[in-house]
Amino acid sequence: SQKIEQNSEALNIQEGKTATLTCNYTNYSPAYLQWYRQDPGRGPVFLLLIRENEKEKRKERLKVTFDTTLKQSLFHITASQPADSATYLCALKRSYNTDKLIFGTGTRLQVFP
Amino acid sequence: GAGVSQSPRYKVAKRGQDVALRCDPISGHVSLFWYQQALGQGPEFLTYFQNEAQLDKSGLPSDRFFAERPEGSVSTLKIQRTQQEDSAVYLCASARGPFEEKLFFGSGTQLSVL
Repeated sequence: SQKIEQNSEALNIQEGKTATLTCNYTNYSPAYLQWYRQDPGRGPVFLLLIRENEKEKRKERLKVTFDTTLKQSLFHITASQPADSATYLCALKRSYNTDKLIFGTGTRLQVFP
Repeated sequence: GAGVSQSPRYKVAKRGQDVALRCDPISGHVSLFWYQQALGQGPEFLTYFQNEAQLDKSGLPSDRFFAERPEGSVSTLKIQRTQQEDSAVYLCASARGPFEEKLFFGSGTQLSVL
């Protein structure tokens, strides 16, 4: 069956350090992968998209990598801040004309001052 | 509107009761999705509309779940004869077009079935 796995345990890091979150998938050949942020009681908010032919994407303090051989994406937040504390979800779309985005279970990040 | 709006924000239903959840997408957005999110889990796809056409309802868990978008804007997700396992947050998302990659989510409706 198709699966998207993220670390279910919370990631706790100190302010200023780099947070690295992992997204692994099986039985997919995704057209692209997205990362979303979700705060308690809110809907997910889009952060970054990386396509199957891209290795790395950056936006301000965020960096995403995509390794289609390992079937893995890594999401990095550099110089992390307490305000970065949230749940981060990865999501795949299997093809450009497939309607639905399929989400992982999410990883909770806690940044301590 | 400025964002995707969902109502009610919270809904408590007795088992067996019917409920209706509303979604107002961003004005002009063609695509509309419903997702179900259980506590501590990621959103699970329920159904997808392109304008008023329901193109995919493969995620609806049973025939008690029904969604519509009659005029291609506001959508309603209806759950008949609610059961305890229906308790979850129901998220609505919209996108500008059918191949638009970025989804805009509402804050969801938290449904509790007692």
